Amino acid sequence: AQKITQTQPGMFVQEKEAVTLDCTYDTSDPSYGLFWYKQPSSGEMIFLIYQGSYDQQNATEGRYSLNFQKARKSANLVISASQLGDSAMYFCAMSFTGNQFYFGTGTSLTVIP
Amino acid sequence: EAQVTQNPRYLITVTGKKLTVTCSQNMNHEYMSWYRQDPGLGLRQIYYSMNVEVTDKGDVPEGYKVSRKEKRNFPLILESPSPNQTSLYFCASSHLTPRQGGAETQYFGPGTRLLVL
Repeated sequence: AQKITQTQPGMFVQEKEAVTLDCTYDTSDPSYGLFWYKQPSSGEMIFLIYQGSYDQQNATEGRYSLNFQKARKSANLVISASQLGDSAMYFCAMSFTGNQFYFGTGTSLTVIP
Repeated sequence: EAQVTQNPRYLITVTGKKLTVTCSQNMNHEYMSWYRQDPGLGLRQIYYSMNVEVTDKGDVPEGYKVSRKEKRNFPLILESPSPNQTSLYFCASSHLTPRQGGAETQYFGPGTRLLVL
């Protein structure tokens, strides 16, 4: 069975500091995609970054990078230079060639001025 | 503007009264999906569709129905809603590609808050 785990219910980070949000997954499928989404208090789901299981390099999108460690089955999100607007819920998600999606339970990030 | 729309945005209903939440996308996406979001549980996939007339169960399909008669629309039907279906519902869509994991990045609708009394 596919499973995705976010073990940090809540995190705090000082403005302008970097923060890492953890995500681990469990699958025997060799082909999968990993996603991170942001959900601000307004409720919408905002795509941040994608990593494919066969991608050799870690994905980066602006201040977001995905630390992909395939052997450890982890896909941590790193946010550099945190801003107040980064305060939100963050969800890790996986997709498979069967096109089913699984989401983690989320991490609430609070950026402190 | 590329978007996924859901209607209604908010709905209060009573147990057993059939309801439909509509979802429409204007991006010609093949893949569409419904999720429910509950506190502490994240998002869970209810049903998904890879094209017209092709639908599959997600993780939590019990109590829900879907149909995909047109590419742009993917309505979620609750034939006999119960209080445990009170939740925040999201519709999402994306293209399908051969890359790892199949579905591309999903675009989400604004969400529908449902309260079943």
